[in-house]
Amino acid sequence: NAGVTQTPKFQVLKTGQSMTLQCAQDMNHNSMYWYRQDPGMGLRLIYYSASEGTTDKGEVPNGYNVSRLNKREFSLRLESAAPSQTSVYFCASSERQANTEAFFGQGTRLTVV
Amino acid sequence: AQSVTQLGSHVSVSEGALVLLRCNYSSSVPPYLFWYVQYPNQGLQLLLKYTSAATLVKGINGFEAEFKKSETSFHLTKPSAHMSDAAEYFCAVTEGRYSTLTFGKGTMLLVSP
Repeated sequence: NAGVTQTPKFQVLKTGQSMTLQCAQDMNHNSMYWYRQDPGMGLRLIYYSASEGTTDKGEVPNGYNVSRLNKREFSLRLESAAPSQTSVYFCASSERQANTEAFFGQGTRLTVV
Repeated sequence: AQSVTQLGSHVSVSEGALVLLRCNYSSSVPPYLFWYVQYPNQGLQLLLKYTSAATLVKGINGFEAEFKKSETSFHLTKPSAHMSDAAEYFCAVTEGRYSTLTFGKGTMLLVSP
């Protein structure tokens, strides 16, 4: 019963490098999300995908791109990493309706130096 | 637009004491409300949710929350704290049919012997 799986768990990047965070869910959910968590800021939505083939910006999308590869997978790409993108990134999935809970992955701790 | 305010970034209680974590929301339509818990170095997991079926909601691990529309509040309580309750707690809201979760900034619960 894997739920939401994120890779990698830890990553250190140099400023200007690129990388892709991977996320997969096995619950047949329509909606998937990427959040970032910073101390004292809670979780802020970067991008979401309400269904396969669609993506939309959240609260803090600048510097990121996403791809909904299929119903299971939703990736987050940093094209040119900046120190301000040092954070813990969480992927989540849910049914499409607003009254259903979101299930979260274990997170990716990213440090940009 | 929806928003969530959690009063107190840190709350300290003694083992066996009452736990009260405060959450106030702002929403233009009847909201759906959630409490999530995050243990160190883990993802978020659902404690409980309000979806208009009942104003007093019971969750896991002995936690409960009461929806008070007149006060726009959804405070989380537990009668007797346990050491294992030490974690960060997030209140979140959605509104409308397909909206995304908006989180508060979180409250760290510290439990002392």
